[in-house]
Amino acid sequence: DAGITQSPRHKVTETGTPVTLRCHQTENHRYMYWYRQDPGHGLRLIHYSYGVKDTDKGEVSDGYSVSRSKTEDFLLTLESATSSQTSVYFCAINSAPGGVGDEQFFGPGTRLTVL
Amino acid sequence: ILNVEQSPQSLHVQEGDSTNFTCSFPSSNFYALHWYRWETAKSPEALFVMTLNGDEKKKGRISATLNTKEGYSYLYIKGSQPEDSATYLCASPLHRLAFGKGNQVVVIP
Repeated sequence: DAGITQSPRHKVTETGTPVTLRCHQTENHRYMYWYRQDPGHGLRLIHYSYGVKDTDKGEVSDGYSVSRSKTEDFLLTLESATSSQTSVYFCAINSAPGGVGDEQFFGPGTRLTVL
Repeated sequence: ILNVEQSPQSLHVQEGDSTNFTCSFPSSNFYALHWYRWETAKSPEALFVMTLNGDEKKKGRISATLNTKEGYSYLYIKGSQPEDSATYLCASPLHRLAFGKGNQVVVIP
């Protein structure tokens, strides 16, 4: 199994509070991704990183920011949590640009509830 | 086709029956096609990564074919078992890896 962990695994928070989710990998992979899973939408990309301090937006990036100061850590921050951000968040990693020819490895997920 | 699309969205299969479903993707500038298996309350896991037209991959009772010229891939499950119940995702690297919404398979004992 790829060495990828997410913390926390579960979190309940209140509307308007900032929340940070952490993804940690031990594989030294260059590419890291944050997705959210919602019924009827499958997996939607929030942000991704292609190296330390190199990040870009995905299709649902509004209300989220990311940071990557080390190869092994990719942080997702909800600047001011809203109920629409209640979801399961998955981190993924791979070694190739855009997933070309290389599968992504997924973390265990973080279930976030915003009240 | 501009996005990755999967059909049918869900299907129920009797144990022992075989089934298949479709992933459609943009055929221009094709790089690769990924299939993932996603069990409830778990994380997606890669089944296949396919890159060549005519590619055929197999893992146990699950197999997949690829047609890059017309932009589709089929996933087959032969002799479905209850443990095959999962959502099967396909994904194609467009600018980033774009996922379809999945084929949810329920195998009825």
